[in-house]
Amino acid sequence: DSGVTQTPKHLITATGQRVTLRCSPRSGDLSVYWYQQSLDQGLQFLIQYYNGEERAKGNILERFSAQQFPDLHSELNLSSLELGDSALYFCASSVTGTATDEQFFGPGTRLTVL
Amino acid sequence: ILNVEQSPQSLHVQEGDSTNFTCSFPSSNFYALHWYRWETAKSPEALFVMTLNGDEKKKGRISATLNTKEGYSYLYIKGSQPEDSATYLCASLDNTGRRALTFGSGTRLQVQP
Repeated sequence: DSGVTQTPKHLITATGQRVTLRCSPRSGDLSVYWYQQSLDQGLQFLIQYYNGEERAKGNILERFSAQQFPDLHSELNLSSLELGDSALYFCASSVTGTATDEQFFGPGTRLTVL
Repeated sequence: ILNVEQSPQSLHVQEGDSTNFTCSFPSSNFYALHWYRWETAKSPEALFVMTLNGDEKKKGRISATLNTKEGYSYLYIKGSQPEDSATYLCASLDNTGRRALTFGSGTRLQVQP
């Protein structure tokens, strides 16, 4: 158990809908990262937050947005969902959010868009 | 954009065998390399973070080396055990300002008892 929690574990929804994925980092970690793992693709970095501020952005679609709250938990919002958004979404956290920090991954949320 | 490649894609070995696999990354603007171990139905777990050319790290039977000049890292497992069966991911980060890990597609290791 990495200490990172993600809810829900599974989510099934329809195209065009909007969902929110939630992540609580390990105690003491200030940085949160979001990754997407689609079928036959490696882990793709979406976005990073550090202490409430956006720090780095990957290939995140405009339909997706995220934020980190004062209590350091983070939410990833996915809207106008398409079939291709079906994937495993991981949240990770680290202490300082720097390049040499180990990242601790949560168990993931499996999103299925029908 | 960094292109991180791992080889082989998959590997089957017998219990007790030693094995190694490769992570290749662009050497220009290198900043850090991460190795993660990812067991089926679990989440990735950090093994090593390496930054310096010639760096060697060890954790139990697993070790890694780093060559930043030629852009590769090796992961070694000595005396493989069935519990080592997992996908091993490497991820590289450059210093050009993107500040995000780019992951390879992984090497899937299966250790037969």
